[in-house]
Amino acid sequence: QSALTQPRSVSGSPGQSVTISCTGTSSDVLTYDYVSWYQFHPGEAPKLIIYDVIKRPSGVPDRFSGSKSGNTASLTISGLQAEDEADYYCCTDAGSYMVVFGGGTRLTVL
Amino acid sequence: EVQLVESGGGLVQPGGSLRLSCAASGFTFSTYWMNWVRQAPGKGLVWVSRLSKDADIAIYADSVKGRFTVSRDNAKNTLYLQMNSLTGEDTAVYYCARDGTSRGPDFDVWGQGTVVTVAS
Repeated sequence: QSALTQPRSVSGSPGQSVTISCTGTSSDVLTYDYVSWYQFHPGEAPKLIIYDVIKRPSGVPDRFSGSKSGNTASLTISGLQAEDEADYYCCTDAGSYMVVFGGGTRLTVL
Repeated sequence: EVQLVESGGGLVQPGGSLRLSCAASGFTFSTYWMNWVRQAPGKGLVWVSRLSKDADIAIYADSVKGRFTVSRDNAKNTLYLQMNSLTGEDTAVYYCARDGTSRGPDFDVWGQGTVVTVAS
């Protein structure tokens, strides 16, 4: 169960767009269309922002979007806002009901 | 309000045991798979365990297999994690999380976490 690979940090200015990648293997991201993304502000509970690669739970702004190509999934945040500054984690099915998270990406809004 | 509240964390010596609880409210607990996820200090989220709604399928990360046991009491709307043979590497904030409606892992409700510290 190796963690999915995410960049340690990304940054962007308010109003800009940023993309966070999440690279897995043929055993997880490539095989399953079940990638989810979580926003994690320190001291708070993680929040689901994308599931099934592209779907957004109700209440999540459409500034957040997901995609997948091969064994790499991506989260794009457009129109960056100060409150988007947080840690972001990808997650997917690893087979046999197991789950694997990415290592996490710290987003800094400049 | 849909809510998960963890409890049972604390300081425990290496080799010791601890049982965590996760009380659910605001939804029909018995119809959802549930999970435990942890975050060690300065580290990322790591999935620990998953339990089917009827408790007939329990899955564990390799790092805890054979030491941790997940269970639930649907009558009490509570999820448990029995942790034995604890080591310093188990020091973390432990979160319970609900599996949503997707067939894959979509953890749509999380608790605030309970802190487990393993130290002598």
